[in-house]
Amino acid sequence: EDQVTQSPEALRLQEGESSSLNCSYTVSGLRGLFWYRQDPGKGPEFLFTLYSAGEEKEKERLKATLTKKESFLHITAPKPEDSATYLCAVQSSGSARQLTFGSGTQLTVLP
Amino acid sequence: DGGITQSPKYLFRKEGQNVTLSCEQNLNHDAMYWYRQDPGQGLRLIYYSQIVNDFQKGDIAEGYSVSREKKESFPLTVTSAQKNPTAFYLCASSIQGEKLFFGSGTQLSVL
Repeated sequence: EDQVTQSPEALRLQEGESSSLNCSYTVSGLRGLFWYRQDPGKGPEFLFTLYSAGEEKEKERLKATLTKKESFLHITAPKPEDSATYLCAVQSSGSARQLTFGSGTQLTVLP
Repeated sequence: DGGITQSPKYLFRKEGQNVTLSCEQNLNHDAMYWYRQDPGQGLRLIYYSQIVNDFQKGDIAEGYSVSREKKESFPLTVTSAQKNPTAFYLCASSIQGEKLFFGSGTQLSVL
């Protein structure tokens, strides 16, 4: 059974204080790992897909990396508008190809 | 603009009542999904459909029903058999096996 664990559950940062969010996973053959951003009362918004260990992707202040056991979402010099819940999900290479989501990290960036 | 429209944004259910959540997409995606999100938990898959007139149960299908009569539409009915329906419901669509695009969600509460 695929499993995804995100840590920490909540993170408070000062504006400009860089940090990382962790997503640990177990999956029977990784087809893809997805990062989403979710604002309160809204649907998740797609950020990145990573497919193989060693892969990295960047978007503005966000950088996602992938190893064989975990993924990190690095946030460099965050701003208050980066405050949101960040969700990680894995997709196995099995026939169902459904996503398994973690419970998310709630990030608060204080001005 | 292409996207996924969920309605209503807020819905209240009385004891013993069935309610239906609407989901419409104009992205021309074959696959559509329904997820349930409870506070502090990851998204859990209720039902999914990979093609018109066909759908499969997800991890928590009991007390729910769906139909897929048109490619654009995938309504979810929360039946009276679902004893704990209060949650945030998210509809999503995708090209087969690719990233999910989410609607803005429906918050269902019990009166």
